[in-house]
Amino acid sequence: ETGVTQTPRHLVMGMTNKKSLKCEQHLGHNAMYWYKQSAKKPLELMFVYSLEERVENNSVPSRFSPECPNSSHLFLHLHTLQPEDSALYLCASTPGQGARWHEQYFGPGTRLTVT
Amino acid sequence: LAKTTQPISMDSYEGQEVNITCSHNNIATNDYITWYQQFPSQGPRFIIQGYKTKVTNEVASLFIPADRKSSTLSLPRVSLSDTAVYYCLVGARSNDYKLSFGAGTTVTVRA
Repeated sequence: ETGVTQTPRHLVMGMTNKKSLKCEQHLGHNAMYWYKQSAKKPLELMFVYSLEERVENNSVPSRFSPECPNSSHLFLHLHTLQPEDSALYLCASTPGQGARWHEQYFGPGTRLTVT
Repeated sequence: LAKTTQPISMDSYEGQEVNITCSHNNIATNDYITWYQQFPSQGPRFIIQGYKTKVTNEVASLFIPADRKSSTLSLPRVSLSDTAVYYCLVGARSNDYKLSFGAGTTVTVRA
């Protein structure tokens, strides 16, 4: 248990569906992240929120839409995805202070399959 | 972000000590060195972080020489459950929210 939860753990969706991934952190952290990890590839940073403000959008297609309503919750809204979007989507949080920016706590991930 | 280089894979046996060295020749004065562990289909787990000399916790030790151009993660007496990918990251201490995980080192522990 890292203090970061993600739901659902598994998701299968068609290319025309709309779904959302949810992340919640119980650590009192100030920053939250979305990462994508495709099979046998390094983690790819997607979005970063610091104090509920988006500070990074790493050239992510618009079919992925993040939302951070407060410092404890982060969503990733999905619509009209492509099969190549199938991957493990990971949420992380960090205290966001000094060197502790690099002390990230990850959730278990959502395994997404796009059919 | 300073570029890091680490071996792609390492094999070991249960009970042995595993040392993974990461090169970061362009490390900046205010950069910290951080290591993560990742099991298949799970998120990475923060293991240890250091700036210089030696840092030890209940999981591992991190050795950083005086020139800080490399670092070594030491895993004492590994078990089968230590089989994972280990990532070395280097970055600045202030508002450096980006992490670059790279390919990491796949450590395989055999019985």
